[in-house]
Amino acid sequence: SYVLTQPPSVSVAPGQTARITCGGNNIGSKSVHWYQQKPGQAPVLVVCDDSDRPSGIPERFSGSNSGNTATLTISRVEAGDEADYYCQVWDSTTDHYVFGTGTKVTVL
Amino acid sequence: EVQLLESGGGLVQPGGSLRLSCAASGFTFTNYAMSWLRQAPGKGLEWVSAISGSGHSTYYADSVKGRFTISRDNSKNTLYLQMNSLRAEDTAVYYCAKGSRVVGGMAFDYWGQGTLVTVSS
Repeated sequence: SYVLTQPPSVSVAPGQTARITCGGNNIGSKSVHWYQQKPGQAPVLVVCDDSDRPSGIPERFSGSNSGNTATLTISRVEAGDEADYYCQVWDSTTDHYVFGTGTKVTVL
Repeated sequence: EVQLLESGGGLVQPGGSLRLSCAASGFTFTNYAMSWLRQAPGKGLEWVSAISGSGHSTYYADSVKGRFTISRDNSKNTLYLQMNSLRAEDTAVYYCAKGSRVVGGMAFDYWGQGTLVTVSS
């Protein structure tokens, strides 16, 4: 089965840039989606199809995808960005949706 | 405004059954694939099942295949998940989510608030 690997945690100071990676075999050939989940809340889609932002998502959230790594970048980090972040792809060989292991972003 | 409201969660004994429902509004229900996802306490997100807009195509995670059945009633704008032979490891918050497009490669662009399923004796 297809596996997506994320770092367990990322720490960043306010105003700085956070980069969250999502590793998978030839992930650059897939569409990657990213979700933000705050404690006790449902996930929210923040980036879709590698680098598109859904309506209402700040421009500070951006994504890229190439080779074996996809990256979610949060610029000018704010306290309100503290959350768990998950990447997700569709594995066409199994018709399964796969989530990454999740990354907890802490704002120092 | 898209709204997804899950119901049907609760406490069930191992081996028991439960049926979850998700009432959808704010979009043309039949035009979009829908999915169920879950999150065990303190754990990450896990996709459970998906269904095409017409309901003709269904997909399941290996962990639930043969035990869970996804369905939809497009006349009632409602998504269902019939869960049989429940196990302790099925304990989780179950989310209903709208697909961003047809089933293949979709993102989950709207989520309900979730319903808790606890499997315990």
